[in-house]
Amino acid sequence: GNSVTQMEGPVTLSEEAFLTINCTYTATGYPSLFWYVQYPGEGLQLLLKATKADDKGSNKGFEATYRKETTSFHLEKGSVQVSDSAVYFCALYPNTGNQFYFGTGTSLTVIP
Amino acid sequence: NAGVMQNPRHLVRRRGQEARLRCSPMKGHSHVYWYRQLPEEGLKFMVYLQKENIIDESGMPKERFSAEFPKEGPSILRIQQVVRGDSAAYFCASSPRGLAVNIQYFGAGTRLSVL
Repeated sequence: GNSVTQMEGPVTLSEEAFLTINCTYTATGYPSLFWYVQYPGEGLQLLLKATKADDKGSNKGFEATYRKETTSFHLEKGSVQVSDSAVYFCALYPNTGNQFYFGTGTSLTVIP
Repeated sequence: NAGVMQNPRHLVRRRGQEARLRCSPMKGHSHVYWYRQLPEEGLKFMVYLQKENIIDESGMPKERFSAEFPKEGPSILRIQQVVRGDSAAYFCASSPRGLAVNIQYFGAGTRLSVL
């Protein structure tokens, strides 16, 4: 079956610290992988995606690489800002089917 | 181009009442998806609809929940005889087509509280 496991939070970092949020997946076939971000009181916004092995998705200083051999899609950012405080969801979309499979979310708080 | 619009943003119901959640997809999108986010959990798929058709309702509870997407007007998620366990955030997403790897655009959600 399909599932996503991501690092539990909450995570608290100081501004300019390095961020890693781990995400691993189980899937049949070759899914596409995504990171979504949810700011307080808002819906999910697509942060980045990768559709095949070894692809790197990047946006707003965030990066994640699709690693088929370790079934992982870890999110990284070199220097976080207070405005990055949000909940981050890892998700997969299988190559057959109609739905996303989401991880439980990781809450990030960045303090000045 | 307006995004996915959901209303109301917050809905309070007493046990036994009905809840109706509305979702207007992005302009030009004919595919709608509903997800539920329980406290401290990720989003779970409920149902996928096209205009006038339910394509996949594998995530819908068998009782009390129904969804529609009429030819005209918004998609409606209806919960009859709500219970406290229905308290959650309900998100709608839309896409221009339902193919794999397509991107779904999410609304801001409706937060249902059952007293």
